[in-house]
Amino acid sequence: EVQLLESGGGLVQPGGSLRLSCAASGITFSTYAISWVRQAPGKGLECVSVISGSGGTTYYADSVKGRFTVSRDNSKNTQYLQMNSLRAEDTAIYYCVGHQLLSAGWFDSWGQGTLVTVSS
Amino acid sequence: DIQMTQSPSSLSASVEDRVTITCRASQSISSYVNWYQQKPGKAPELLIYAASSLQSGVPSRFSGSGSGTDFSLTISSLQSEDSATYYCQQSYSRLTTFGQGTRLEIK
Repeated sequence: EVQLLESGGGLVQPGGSLRLSCAASGITFSTYAISWVRQAPGKGLECVSVISGSGGTTYYADSVKGRFTVSRDNSKNTQYLQMNSLRAEDTAIYYCVGHQLLSAGWFDSWGQGTLVTVSS
Repeated sequence: DIQMTQSPSSLSASVEDRVTITCRASQSISSYVNWYQQKPGKAPELLIYAASSLQSGVPSRFSGSGSGTDFSLTISSLQSEDSATYYCQQSYSRLTTFGQGTRLEIK
């Protein structure tokens, strides 16, 4: 059974930084792409980044480009989302999602989410 | 970016009703559409992938159809546990996008 566990969320001031982690089990981690999907309070779903299984390909939403960076350590079965220059509008639940195709696929494995709050 | 427009944004229906939610893409995306169900406080769950394939474990009352720009999710006989928000998703482009969601309430 695939399990994805996010950590690292919390309260941060505007302009601050935070690093989220996504730890995986039950899968051959290096064969899974990982996306981060966020959901602002009472709002819909937005995919902000994706990284390929090897880590060699990454894509970002325009809303976070230049501020967020994804990376992964396949030896630790863990993927990271480094968030810098945080803004109030980045406040959301962040879900880590595992999927076998980098694109043209579907999201069948979701973590439980971690809450990021950007506020002074 | 490919925009996904869902309709309606909310609806109310009775148990055993047939319910259809539609999603329109801003450009042709073949069959690269998936559907999710999200209940309050929970992560979304995959219902339908590749426009019409039923995810394992999902009740057969859920079905999907469409190709090109127009897609739909149908619940053939609504049950009380189907109260949730439903999202379509396109996976045609490098970074996926979702519709704005449809909130389904049981009368």
